[in-house]
Amino acid sequence: EAGVAQSPRYKIIEKRQSVAFWCNPISGHATLYWYQQILGQGPKLLIQFQNNGVVDDSQLPKDRFSAERLKGVDSTLKIQPAKLEDSAVYLCASSYDDRRFTEAFFGQGTRLTVV
Amino acid sequence: TQLLEQSPQFLSIQEGENLTVYCNSSSVFSSLQWYRQEPGEGPVLLVTVVTGGEVKKLKRLTFQFGDARKDSSLHITAAQPGDTGLYLCAGGIYNQGGKLIFGQGTELSVKP
Repeated sequence: EAGVAQSPRYKIIEKRQSVAFWCNPISGHATLYWYQQILGQGPKLLIQFQNNGVVDDSQLPKDRFSAERLKGVDSTLKIQPAKLEDSAVYLCASSYDDRRFTEAFFGQGTRLTVV
Repeated sequence: TQLLEQSPQFLSIQEGENLTVYCNSSSVFSSLQWYRQEPGEGPVLLVTVVTGGEVKKLKRLTFQFGDARKDSSLHITAAQPGDTGLYLCAGGIYNQGGKLIFGQGTELSVKP
């Protein structure tokens, strides 16, 4: 079974530029998560989709971050304009809909450096 | 707002020693996951516990879910250098659409 695919792996941009990340979840997984992870810290949930609807985006800085999940499969996360503090690893994860518990499977992440 | 507190944040031990990592919250979770993350990679799921008081073993790793489903622990017996990494606990909240929140992680270094 193919895992969660993310691209690009690395991105370096200047502040005020825009950037987009792409994620393809595991086939059949209804839930898709985007997390931001600062070096040495735990992942922070940015946005969660179930199919193509948003479940939680309470910690997404909506003035500069946006995300979409068209057709309930692939997803893109965009930052415009980027700030220095956006430097982090952006992780995408997906999980199947199990009524008992949540298990998320992660991609390798995109390391973003804003200079 | 649900929070998960992990302790300790950093742990440096010698090969062969035992260790325990704790994950605590004031909130009740539907499930609790433990992940391990190596530099440059995404977190990899180690185990899921769903029942209060549940204990699961994975080779030298023992995971326990608290009776009230608010806390969990990870115990490693006879740690090896290959155990080095960032250990993350994550609480699942099924009635919030499968929301998954993470603790801040425990950075483990096992020296030969």
